[in-house]
Amino acid sequence: QKEVEQNSGPLSVPEGAIASLNCTYSDRGSQSFFWYRQYSGKSPELIMSIYSNGDKEDGRFTAQLNKASQYVSLLIRDSQPSDSATYLCAVTQAGNMLTFGGGTRLMVKP
Amino acid sequence: GAGVSQTPSNKVTEKGKYVELRCDPISGHTALYWYRQSLGQGPEFLIYFQGTGAADDSGLPNDRFFAVRPEGSVSTLKIQRTERGDSAVYLCASSFLAGYNEQFFGPGTRLTVL
Repeated sequence: QKEVEQNSGPLSVPEGAIASLNCTYSDRGSQSFFWYRQYSGKSPELIMSIYSNGDKEDGRFTAQLNKASQYVSLLIRDSQPSDSATYLCAVTQAGNMLTFGGGTRLMVKP
Repeated sequence: GAGVSQTPSNKVTEKGKYVELRCDPISGHTALYWYRQSLGQGPEFLIYFQGTGAADDSGLPNDRFFAVRPEGSVSTLKIQRTERGDSAVYLCASSFLAGYNEQFFGPGTRLTVL
């Protein structure tokens, strides 16, 4: 069983809709959680970090964390074609190396 | 300010050769991480440095892989006797401190072993 699980997708949403990306993790000791966006042929770009239960909003992005359910999500409001990318969920246990999921490919259709 | 830089951006080598990949972290960042990403997968941890010493090298796949950071800034990942299975994108990231700090990635080095 992989430590960080994501649906590989593709997740297809129409422009202007809300995209919901989900991630589960197996290690209850995980303490820090991150979402990275990766365009094809590029390196991961950090878009959100979350450390405590609840919601964290930054512009069109909202990260949600539920440690009891070992679940992290990313909501993208008013999705744009430029949001089309692979979204990587990453967690840390001891606060050092990141453990990544396989990523979810998001496609936003005009 | 400048982000993480990596050189070369692409490296093609033959099986059995030795390669060095370089990473220059964000100025002031004390923690440096190496990851490897194969097509269609998330990055996988290789090694991380806090300062000059390797704090955790548990992700290195075997003893053909080695990394150094002699002055606590630039790091070099060294691969001996390369194999075709080593082909991947090698990513470097840095953070202000090890711990809960966010990690920022460089553009990566695409290694192809023929």
